[in-house]
Amino acid sequence: NAGVTQTPKFQVLKTGQSMTLQCAQDMNHEYMSWYRQDPGMGLRLIHYSVGAGITDQGEVPNGYNVSRSTTEDFPLRLLSAAPSQTSVYFCASSYSNARGSGNTIYFGEGSWLTVV
Amino acid sequence: GNSVTQMEGPVTLSEEAFLTINCTYTATGYPSLFWYVQYPGEGLQLLLKATKADDKGSNKGFEATYRKETTSFHLEKGSVQVSDSAVYFCALSSYSSASKIIFGSGTRLSIRP
Repeated sequence: NAGVTQTPKFQVLKTGQSMTLQCAQDMNHEYMSWYRQDPGMGLRLIHYSVGAGITDQGEVPNGYNVSRSTTEDFPLRLLSAAPSQTSVYFCASSYSNARGSGNTIYFGEGSWLTVV
Repeated sequence: GNSVTQMEGPVTLSEEAFLTINCTYTATGYPSLFWYVQYPGEGLQLLLKATKADDKGSNKGFEATYRKETTSFHLEKGSVQVSDSAVYFCALSSYSSASKIIFGSGTRLSIRP
């Protein structure tokens, strides 16, 4: 019962460093997304993908890159980390809206990132 | 555009009290509505959902009814427990939102023994 798996769970970066948050799902979901969660601001969508080879920007995409080479994987890359990117990051997946908008979203357990 | 507004927290109640967390939405078309719950140190998990008007979602004693006339999906529970302490998120999904799931800002609930 793996579901959505995120790594690493905790990471400390120095300003300017780059890193990749990994996300994998084993449910054959078309739709995958990345959110960041900050105190008092709920979840904000960074990037999303409706299928392999297709990605699009969400609400707060600046400073992040994504790619979707396979259905299972959706890594999030921080190009040059900044303190403003200190946050909790959640990867999520679901069946696409083509199957109905009532699809349940499954979340990973989160990645706590601190940029110093 | 689509949006979700939920009551601000934190909400603090005594055990066995009645709970209501308000949620209203703005959306084109006919969205599906969800409540997600986040326990400390964990990711979000689905609590309940409703996919059309007048549907009632229910789970673990929680209920919410999809009210199209008032564009609302309020979360209720008749008797809360300490284990219900968590952050609750209202969310919507709509064909018009191109697969974007829109979340409210979350409501932190604390239950006193």
